Amino acid sequence: QQQVKQSPQSLIVQKGGIPIINCAYENTAFDYFPWYQQFPGKGPALLIAIRPDVSEKKEGRFTISFNKSAKQFSLHIMDSQPGDSATYFCAASLNQGGKLIFGQGTELSVKP
Amino acid sequence: DGGITQSPKYLFRKEGQNVTLSCEQNLNHDAMYWYRQDPGQGLRLIYYSQIVNDFQKGDIAEGYSVSREKKESFPLTVTSAQKNPTAFYLCASSTHLAGGAGKAGELFFGEGSRLTVL
Repeated sequence: QQQVKQSPQSLIVQKGGIPIINCAYENTAFDYFPWYQQFPGKGPALLIAIRPDVSEKKEGRFTISFNKSAKQFSLHIMDSQPGDSATYFCAASLNQGGKLIFGQGTELSVKP
Repeated sequence: DGGITQSPKYLFRKEGQNVTLSCEQNLNHDAMYWYRQDPGQGLRLIYYSQIVNDFQKGDIAEGYSVSREKKESFPLTVTSAQKNPTAFYLCASSTHLAGGAGKAGELFFGEGSRLTVL
């Protein structure tokens, strides 16, 4: 019940494409769903986050879609660029943050 | 600049030896965390601390120990009891309060320490 399942494990798109990364959770008490971006040799950094009272959140080229009834959420990257090549992690937590449970990660490669 | 500093960045250890990874933060965050990262497994929580002199086990605490004697510091010891210690270790901190460094609940990560057991 505490798991967050993320797919796909890896993804290759062409520049300008729209990669989509999906996550699913079981615990309906989760109330905070962030996405973190990690470049090689670095620690992850917060990219965008959503709470379950909204179905979509946009920040620049990054959009989270949230489906509460299906217990799923996804990250869309519009007009993807080679600089977006990184590993992306979804996560979930109780009590609006702090201790996070992470998905397995998706390694994204955006080809020029 | 405010942030989290982990050291050393790379560490090699012989089997049977304990090793301590350092984590220091100057963000004035109350909570600190240690995560382990392995390929294809995401980040798994080892230990976390919400206040000085108190800490709780995460999902994979066996073979690890921590201390939290100061707000700024949360060192992790990888003991010889840890069966498969070779991994990338990440320290993070967060605040539960609005304002200050970062949003409430946002984790700030260090750059990690890569431990290899020879």
